[in-house]
Amino acid sequence: AQSVTQPDIHITVSEGASLELRCNYSYGATPYLFWYVQSPGQGLQLLLKYFSGDTLVQGIKGFEAEFKRSQSSFNLRKPSVHWSDAAEYFCAVGGYNNNDMRFGAGTRLTVKP
Amino acid sequence: EPEVTQTPSHQVTQMGQEVILRCVPISNHLYFYWYRQILGQKVEFLVSFYNNEISEKSEIFDDQFSVERPDGSNFTLKIRSTKLEDSAMYFCASSKLGGGASDTQYFGPGTRLTVL
Repeated sequence: AQSVTQPDIHITVSEGASLELRCNYSYGATPYLFWYVQSPGQGLQLLLKYFSGDTLVQGIKGFEAEFKRSQSSFNLRKPSVHWSDAAEYFCAVGGYNNNDMRFGAGTRLTVKP
Repeated sequence: EPEVTQTPSHQVTQMGQEVILRCVPISNHLYFYWYRQILGQKVEFLVSFYNNEISEKSEIFDDQFSVERPDGSNFTLKIRSTKLEDSAMYFCASSKLGGGASDTQYFGPGTRLTVL
């Protein structure tokens, strides 16, 4: 069964610093990978997704993620964090039929001024 | 930009009572989903719905839960007899196409259910 591990429960970075959020997945076939962001009191917003092709995926708000099959990873990156990026970030994996999409436990990002 | 809406934003109920959580998916979407997130825990899949029937459900989605699309716009989740452990944020989502992970699920803002 598919699963997602986000090793970091909470990360704090300074505004303007670079960011990398880790995501490792387990899936028996070609995975479809997603990053969602959840701001306090808000729903889940899709940042980016990977299905096939170029392993470096660009998303909204300046985020990108790189799929590395050999490491079963799909880490999220941003070169320069803004205070408004403070939120909870969820990695998710699905298959061809993504009715049963599995989420990681989330990483809470705090941005210091 | 069209979005998924959910009502109410917060529902408080007594244990044993029935609750209905409502969702209006994006209008041209065909697949609908419910997820829940217990406070401090991960988002968990409950059920998916297509063509007026459940297409997939998780082990969480037991006989206490049901879903319905009563008209052309609403998608509801009913919990027949709520338990304390049903307290969670419930998210509705919808996707345009069916059965393909290439299609993105769009999430609503959630309904926070508190069972006392």
